[in-house]
Amino acid sequence: DAGVTQSPTHLIKTRGQQVTLRCSPKSGHDTVSWYQQALGQGPQFIFQYYEEEERQRGNFPDRFSGHQFPNYSSELNVNALLLGDSALYLCASGRGANYGYTFGSGTRLTVV
Amino acid sequence: GESVGLHLPTLSVQEGDNSIINCAYSNSASDYFIWYKQESGKGPQFIIDIRSNMDKRQGQRVTVLLNKTVKHLSLQIAATQPGDSAVYFCAELATSRSQGNLIFGKGTKLSVKP
Repeated sequence: DAGVTQSPTHLIKTRGQQVTLRCSPKSGHDTVSWYQQALGQGPQFIFQYYEEEERQRGNFPDRFSGHQFPNYSSELNVNALLLGDSALYLCASGRGANYGYTFGSGTRLTVV
Repeated sequence: GESVGLHLPTLSVQEGDNSIINCAYSNSASDYFIWYKQESGKGPQFIIDIRSNMDKRQGQRVTVLLNKTVKHLSLQIAATQPGDSAVYFCAELATSRSQGNLIFGKGTKLSVKP
């Protein structure tokens, strides 16, 4: 039984570009949350998707957007990348709208 | 929010000793708490959880203690092994408010000396 899978594992983008990260939740899970983890810090909540809708959002600008598909997989899009967007982006899945606590291994984004 | 930048609190222990990692949480409405282990280059891995109607919960080699009065959590690891070396985070959740997002603490780096 696959856990939470994220792709790609690493990528490098140039400032001003756009990026899309992907997440497949653990089997049986229907909720996906995204977190940003800067080096040396704890993960910070970006947003959560449930039933294909954004249910909650953290303190992140509109440059960060997402989507959830009918198969519960999700995408995180970041526009107009800044150097400060360099981080590990984590996806967490769970069952129902209140939980999301099985994490994937993350996508390491480097903005140059 | 909280930040310690690159200077995580570090706990260094000898293999076989017991480890205690502490965490102060911020939201008095939080009623569910989780400890995560994060190894370098990996995502957080669930260790143990506890609900606010409990003050202690035990797993295999790990125990979590919750003190709601002072909003403090601790994780005890018995007979610490080199494979326990990682960064440990506590996370809190206010389920009664349908708050779906985990709020993470600052993290503690555990280093186990063989």
